Amino acid sequence: GDSVTQMEGPVTLSEEAFLTINCTYTATGYPSLFWYVQYPGEGLQLLLKATKADDKGSNKGFEATYRKETTSFHLEKGSVQVSDSAVYFCALTGGGNKLTFGTGTQLKVEL
Amino acid sequence: DTAVSQTPKYLVTQMGNDKSIKCEQNLGHDTMYWYKQDSKKFLKIMFSYNNKELIINETVPNRFSPKSPDKAHLNLHINSLELGDSAVYFCASSQDSGEGQPQHFGDGTRLSIL
Repeated sequence: GDSVTQMEGPVTLSEEAFLTINCTYTATGYPSLFWYVQYPGEGLQLLLKATKADDKGSNKGFEATYRKETTSFHLEKGSVQVSDSAVYFCALTGGGNKLTFGTGTQLKVEL
Repeated sequence: DTAVSQTPKYLVTQMGNDKSIKCEQNLGHDTMYWYKQDSKKFLKIMFSYNNKELIINETVPNRFSPKSPDKAHLNLHINSLELGDSAVYFCASSQDSGEGQPQHFGDGTRLSIL
């Protein structure tokens, strides 16, 4: 079945540092790929998405590129802020638009 | 205006009780979902309805019964609550059930079983 593997957290960075959160997937066919973010006490918010190979999703300074050859969708941001502290989930959709999530990576950004 | 709203936000109850969680979306979407997030923050789909019809039913105990009275509402009823049901339950919706449609999530219902 479909699965998503993302790097274990927590990840602790200083403000303005470069962020990479790795995500790889296993799926039949060509799924759509997503990054969702969960701030403390809140639901998930869509951060970005990509629907086909080589697509780049971007939002709020975050980027991720759909790499079919490496089955990856790594999340990057050039300069993180304290307000980016949250849990980040990589996910893919299969039949019926079912989301399959990775285990989540907690990011903590310090001054 | 809240797009996907769940009630209650917190639910604390005894083992063996029956409880319901309600979800409503005002986005005009056709498809709604229930997800369970465990204590390690792992998220897993439970059910999905499209236009009031069940389209996804994962391996969930039959103590859990979703009900969709109309396409704007998807409620979750849980019978004979067990300790392992303690989790955060998220409702979500999407325009339709086409693959790749972004899903909009509610803020979750934290269920604690004593």
